[in-house]
Amino acid sequence: SQTIHQWPATLVQPVGSPLSLECTVEGTSNPNLYWYRQAAGRGLQLLFYSVGIGQISSEVPQNLSASRPQDRQFILSSKKLLLSDSGFYLCAWSPSPNTEAFFGQGTRLTVV
Amino acid sequence: SQQGEEDPQALSIQEGENATMNCSYKTSINNLQWYRQNSGRGLVHLILIRSNEREKHSGRLRVTLDTSKKSSSLLITASRAADTASYFCATLLSGGYNKLIFGAGTRLAVHP
Repeated sequence: SQTIHQWPATLVQPVGSPLSLECTVEGTSNPNLYWYRQAAGRGLQLLFYSVGIGQISSEVPQNLSASRPQDRQFILSSKKLLLSDSGFYLCAWSPSPNTEAFFGQGTRLTVV
Repeated sequence: SQQGEEDPQALSIQEGENATMNCSYKTSINNLQWYRQNSGRGLVHLILIRSNEREKHSGRLRVTLDTSKKSSSLLITASRAADTASYFCATLLSGGYNKLIFGAGTRLAVHP
């Protein structure tokens, strides 16, 4: 069966520090991968999505970046965090565009 | 950018009552999906309805889709306290885009 792992669960980082959130999927190949951010009490904002290794589409121009170094690994990064980067970050995967997406448990990031 | 907008933003009902949530979207879609999120957790897929379908059922869930009005509704019948959660609609845009766009969600509270 397929599983998605996202870590860490919580993270407190100072302003200006770097960020690396990792997401891996097991039990499938060539998944569509997504990074979302959710502000408190709000909906999900699509940040990045990827249909294959090295293929990253960015939805929101900001100081975040994403990479897909392996088929089932999706990394969200920042060189210098801002206070506004605080939020709940969710990774998701789907077998194909026309199917349901499966979400990780999320990372709650607080930038202080 | 937000594609879907849920209505109402919040809904409070008693156990046993039905809960209806609505979703409107702006552009052509391949499918529309409904997800549930318990507080502070990842999202769980509930049901997917394709653009050529008008109604779909899954247990106590009933989803309708009206592509002419660009709207969908989720009905939860005979609600239970355990149904308390936030519910989101998500649309997969047509035209070859692999973007799954979420609305702002409806917060449902079911009181015993």
